[in-house]
Amino acid sequence: NAGVTQTPKFQVLKTGQSMTLQCAQDMNHEYMSWYRQDPGMGLRLIHYSVGAGITDQGEVPNGYNVSRSTTEDFPLRLLSAAPSQTSVYFCASSNLGQGIAGANVLTFGAGSRLTVL
Amino acid sequence: AQTVTQSQPEMSVQEAETVTLSCTYDTSESDYYLFWYKQPPSRQMILVIRQEAYKQQNATENRFSVNFQKAAKSFSLKISDSQLGDAAMYFCAYRRTGNQFYFGTGTSLTVIP
Repeated sequence: NAGVTQTPKFQVLKTGQSMTLQCAQDMNHEYMSWYRQDPGMGLRLIHYSVGAGITDQGEVPNGYNVSRSTTEDFPLRLLSAAPSQTSVYFCASSNLGQGIAGANVLTFGAGSRLTVL
Repeated sequence: AQTVTQSQPEMSVQEAETVTLSCTYDTSESDYYLFWYKQPPSRQMILVIRQEAYKQQNATENRFSVNFQKAAKSFSLKISDSQLGDAAMYFCAYRRTGNQFYFGTGTSLTVIP
C-alpha cells in the first residue's frame, strides 16, 4: 500500500514563481486536506475536500489554490510564491462517517519542504 | 472558533517512567473526535490514539492512554514505561463536524536513558 504520496519532497522557489505540490492516495478516501507546519505554530489547515468536485477553505487559504477532479488526487497550487509560504506542507486523507473502522483518522503523506527565496 | 492548546512546549521523561502530556480545546459542539499524533525526526505523522467524544471510556493503546474530561475540555496523553523510541513531537488534534481538523502547537518529548 502506497498510502498518501506527496511530491516533491523538497523544492526551492524564487518569489513570484508558481508551482504545484502533488498529493495522491490509493485508499479510496473521500476526505483529503492540506496543512502547513511552521515552527511553534503546529499544523494549520489550508484547504480540504470531502469528495471529487468539492473543495473548501481552511484556516490559512490565502495564496493557495486546490482542485479535486478525482477521488485520488488533490494538488495544491501556489500561484505566486512568497517568502511567507516557506514551510513544510502535509497532505492527509481519511474516510468519513462514524462506525467505519479508521473513519476520521488522518493518514499523512511524508511532507514537502518548500523554501521561497 | 475551535482552538487546541498544548501548554507544554517541551517535556522530558526518564526511560521506563511515565509522562503525561496536556491538551485543552475549545468548542461549542457536543460530538467530535480527539487525536494524539506523534512526529519523530523523520517528519512522518503517526497516529497514537483516538477518542470519540460520545464515548465516556478513556481510550488506550498499549502503553498509551488518555484522560478525557469532556466537561473540562481536557484531553491528556499518558505514556507509560517510556522508551527511547517515544522521543518525538506530539500533537493534539480536534476534528469538528464538517471535517475540519485543528492541531495544537505540539510538545517535544525527550526520553532520557
